[in-house]
Amino acid sequence: DAKTTQPNSMESNEEEPVHLPCNHSTISGTDYIHWYRQLPSQGPEYVIHGLTSNVNNRMASLAIAEDRKSSTLILHRATLRDAAVYYCILNYGQNFVFGPGTRLSVLP
Amino acid sequence: GAVVSQHPSWVICKSGTSVKIECRSLDFQATTMFWYRQFPKQSLMLMATSNEGSKATYEQGVEKDKFLINHASLTLSTLTVTSAHPEDSSFYICSAESGTANTEAFFGQGTRLTVV
Repeated sequence: DAKTTQPNSMESNEEEPVHLPCNHSTISGTDYIHWYRQLPSQGPEYVIHGLTSNVNNRMASLAIAEDRKSSTLILHRATLRDAAVYYCILNYGQNFVFGPGTRLSVLP
Repeated sequence: GAVVSQHPSWVICKSGTSVKIECRSLDFQATTMFWYRQFPKQSLMLMATSNEGSKATYEQGVEKDKFLINHASLTLSTLTVTSAHPEDSSFYICSAESGTANTEAFFGQGTRLTVV
């Protein structure tokens, strides 16, 4: 499975944008970039995924570098409920392999 | 979006007993379901992959006789922890996929197992 690297933790202030980076320099041409988040004592929750083009949905935006070796999850206005562990995962039709993720803290 | 439901949300059992955890896809047919285990402060680790109507595929180091997986229908997979011991205490999570390539996976809310 292609590997991703993320910062262990990040902090943000409430109502400010958050940019969560992910490096995936060994990504293959068919790997999709998925983002999930996990709130305490809950299962992971789907956030967004994409292949080459930037993607937007009601939760977040995904900016994918032109060479696809990195991506950034953007939360446009962080709320306290966005405090979670965010996982960046590469996937093509297989099980999802979870790394340590980034623990996001949101300060009021 | 699609919903995957796990039951129970938490369970406490005595050492030596068996515990069954159910994972249901509520509004789609899941050809493949996955079972993960998560210890405190750690990430999810895949235990096994189950396909409807066939035997589960276990990850290296996971005892198939201890963690029995049954995927008897396209909407239900069960994980039975047999002869549970305190070290089996963990957060167990299932996920389901519809079989359509490159779509998101749907995760259950998890089951907190405590063996005393």
